[in-house]
Amino acid sequence: AQRVTQPEKLLSVFKGAPVELKCNYSYSGSPELFWYVQYSRQRLQLLLRHISRESIKGFTADLNKGETSFHLKKPFAQEEDSAMYYCALFEPSGGSYIPTFGRGTSLIVHP
Amino acid sequence: KAGVTQTPRYLIKTRGQQVTLSCSPISGHRSVSWYQQTPGQGLQFLFEYFSETQRNKGNFPGRFSGRQFSNSRSEMNVSTLELGDSALYLCASSLWTGGGETQYFGPGTRLLVL
Repeated sequence: AQRVTQPEKLLSVFKGAPVELKCNYSYSGSPELFWYVQYSRQRLQLLLRHISRESIKGFTADLNKGETSFHLKKPFAQEEDSAMYYCALFEPSGGSYIPTFGRGTSLIVHP
Repeated sequence: KAGVTQTPRYLIKTRGQQVTLSCSPISGHRSVSWYQQTPGQGLQFLFEYFSETQRNKGNFPGRFSGRQFSNSRSEMNVSTLELGDSALYLCASSLWTGGGETQYFGPGTRLLVL
């Protein structure tokens, strides 16, 4: 069963517009949730994690346990935000974790 | 510090062959995880090693195996290759847990099975 759902494969916005990349998860315990990003011709890298509750590059993500969501938001998109974004759930198991990544959302920010 | 390195970067094999991929983690990182990335299935977890022990594994057949050496370098092996094994194989290292902390990804090894 899919545990992490990113409903949009592609999200296209204009520079300066607000952005929300959706992530819904299925997990009954206390999840470890992350957003990873892959810019063109770069490696997959961490953008932010829910436990740190910080803003990175203007992005924030709030864990909503009631709606089991961890949407990524930015009030004003920039062209350099164009990338592939992956939501990831790390489920505790045997002293470690089993990660599940969403299929990803491609964000394109037009000038 | 140097990032995660993977060798080789590209590989072409034929069905039935076996392949070994290598991953060198960031210095000091003891956990190494492996993933398979395909257009159809996305990024899927293969297994995670810590201190030479496999701690978790994903839902892949036994043809996929791995190991970790005392210097934390890791290898994964795929035996009896199938066309569907064509994918980008990513390895990621982290300092301790392999999951709850930040994972640092390598550039990947692109495997093509003919």
